[in-house]
Amino acid sequence: GEDVEQSLFLSVREGDSSVINCTYTDSSSTYLYWYKQEPGAGLQLLTYIFSNMDMKQDQRLTVLLNKKDKHLSLRIADTQTGDSAIYFCAESLFTGRRALTFGSGTRLQVQP
Amino acid sequence: EADIYQTPRYLVIGTGKKITLECSQTMGHDKMYWYQQDPGMELHLIHYSYGVNSTEKGDLSSESTVSRIRTEHFPLTLESARPSHTSQYLCASSEEHEQYFGPGTRLTVT
Repeated sequence: GEDVEQSLFLSVREGDSSVINCTYTDSSSTYLYWYKQEPGAGLQLLTYIFSNMDMKQDQRLTVLLNKKDKHLSLRIADTQTGDSAIYFCAESLFTGRRALTFGSGTRLQVQP
Repeated sequence: EADIYQTPRYLVIGTGKKITLECSQTMGHDKMYWYQQDPGMELHLIHYSYGVNSTEKGDLSSESTVSRIRTEHFPLTLESARPSHTSQYLCASSEEHEQYFGPGTRLTVT
């Protein structure tokens, strides 16, 4: 079955890079996602990557995938105070219902 | 950007009341989902739908029910609310591999 794990908390200084890590267990073809949740809000899709890719970059966001270790990371360059939020890693299978299995979320705190 | 709406955003209701949480999307997506987000912030799937007249239970057991009479709407109903139903309920829809979420309904049952 699918299982996703993340560290719970990360604190960085404004302007530094943030790296949020995630591990997953499903070995099937899968999509891996990063969502951002601000207080009182829903989840905002940031980016996603298919399991046959190694890296995806989108402006300040870089996703790295290590398929051998089933390790996914999200790097945020030049972190801003507005990046403070909870970041969820999630996976879904390539076929079927494609529902998401979420990690417990990493709370990113950006210090000014 | 996705257009998916949930009402109400916040609801405080007494035990035993029947409630319906509304979810609608204007993107014509076939797949829709309900997730429950508990105080520990982890999300769990409670219902999903492949399309009109197609609904299935999710991974987390829930006393709620859903219906999908129209593509745009995917309401969730609790026949008799209990304090254990206090949670945040998030609706989502997807096309291909991008799943978009509504703003959520925070339900408190007293």
